[in-house]
Amino acid sequence: SQQGEEDPQALSIQEGENATMNCSYKTSINNLQWYRQNSGRGLVHLILIRSNEREKHSGRLRVTLDTSKKSSSLLITASRAADTASYFCATDAGAQKLVFGQGTRLTINP
Amino acid sequence: DAGITQSPRHKVTETGTPVTLRCHQTENHRYMYWYRQDPGHGLRLIHYSYGVKDTDKGEVSDGYSVSRSKTEDFLLTLESATSSQTSVYFCAISSGLAGATSETQYFGPGTRLLVL
Repeated sequence: SQQGEEDPQALSIQEGENATMNCSYKTSINNLQWYRQNSGRGLVHLILIRSNEREKHSGRLRVTLDTSKKSSSLLITASRAADTASYFCATDAGAQKLVFGQGTRLTINP
Repeated sequence: DAGITQSPRHKVTETGTPVTLRCHQTENHRYMYWYRQDPGHGLRLIHYSYGVKDTDKGEVSDGYSVSRSKTEDFLLTLESATSSQTSVYFCAISSGLAGATSETQYFGPGTRLLVL
């Protein structure tokens, strides 16, 4: 079963615009992580936010976590063509396991 | 990049044949994972290992077995491949230093398997 569900499934924006992706989950978590996957490649870790954190930044990435709503969002500011990828949220399933959502496919148009 | 390699990177095989995929790491991480990725399903955990000879099942373990005889190697075996096992397989590792709380996982490049 998949706990994290991303929304939207696909997103297409113009270069320079901001992209926002959302993740909802069902049970309580210790942390939530976001990963990026370029076409044909393995996943790359972007950011981890713990359950006692509400917001975290890394470069052009901003992640928020609302444990009361069981949701998280990933904001990519000033998007670039290189940001074209699929983005996955992953929730802590205990015992060092993660449960991944189905991902959001982000396309940045020049 | 984390030192994770997968072999082979691509494989075509026939239904009913055994297939073994190898994951090799140079990070000395305790935890290793095998996932499969299919359209519409995201990544699903097949098996994972929390140490040499210590393995456990994931969400979609039927039809798969694993072995870990050395810290650096984690093998995934399809005893008798079926067309439903056509997928992209990813290996991942994590250090496990944070105890029970999940940490960052580092992924290999993937193996594309086609079962005819």
